[in-house]
Amino acid sequence: DTAVSQTPKYLVTQMGNDKSIKCEQNLGHDTMYWYKQDSKKFLKIMFSYNNKELIINETVPNRFSPKSPDKAHLNLHINSLELGDSAVYFCASSPQESGYGYTFGSGTRLTVV
Amino acid sequence: KNEVEQSPQNLTAQEGEFITINCSYSVGISALHWLQQHPGGGIVSLFMLSSGKKKHGRLIATINIQEKHSSLHITASHPRDSAVYICAVSVSNDMRFGAGTRLTVKP
Repeated sequence: DTAVSQTPKYLVTQMGNDKSIKCEQNLGHDTMYWYKQDSKKFLKIMFSYNNKELIINETVPNRFSPKSPDKAHLNLHINSLELGDSAVYFCASSPQESGYGYTFGSGTRLTVV
Repeated sequence: KNEVEQSPQNLTAQEGEFITINCSYSVGISALHWLQQHPGGGIVSLFMLSSGKKKHGRLIATINIQEKHSSLHITASHPRDSAVYICAVSVSNDMRFGAGTRLTVKP
């Protein structure tokens, strides 16, 4: 029944590794997003996808890459992890680009050691 | 300066008190959202507003589009209301977030 599900919930990994966080939504929404919550609790948008097209790509390092195999999934791949990548990452979806009806996943706490 | 400003940053209240959290924004928006984040970290969407007022249980959210201001009210606050409350605005196909208000309700 979970509307937006993220896995894993916790991820601890060493510097230099490559990791992925998965996100799936069963709401039939057209747009999915990845946000990073920084140490000050600000939520910063990283990417959004609308019908498989990248429509926002903020100035994040190119070590981060979103992958959307279909409308219901938006996975986040991170290469060569750095200490500064430690944060909570949230996936979200909305019915359309206008941003109404946002639904968030429960977050993935990434710790890079 | 952040496009979405919330006040106060931290708020401590006694159980039963009426609570108000304010949000001001400086950009044109299509909607405003109030979100709740509990200590466990999950984010829940409480309200989405484009005008007027919405009520859900003990929570009330208002928005004044002309003044670019919104308030979230909690009546008869309870310790389980302790959380971070985040104001966010939809701008085109983007969403901008305030820094959040950390609310602690003491029994």
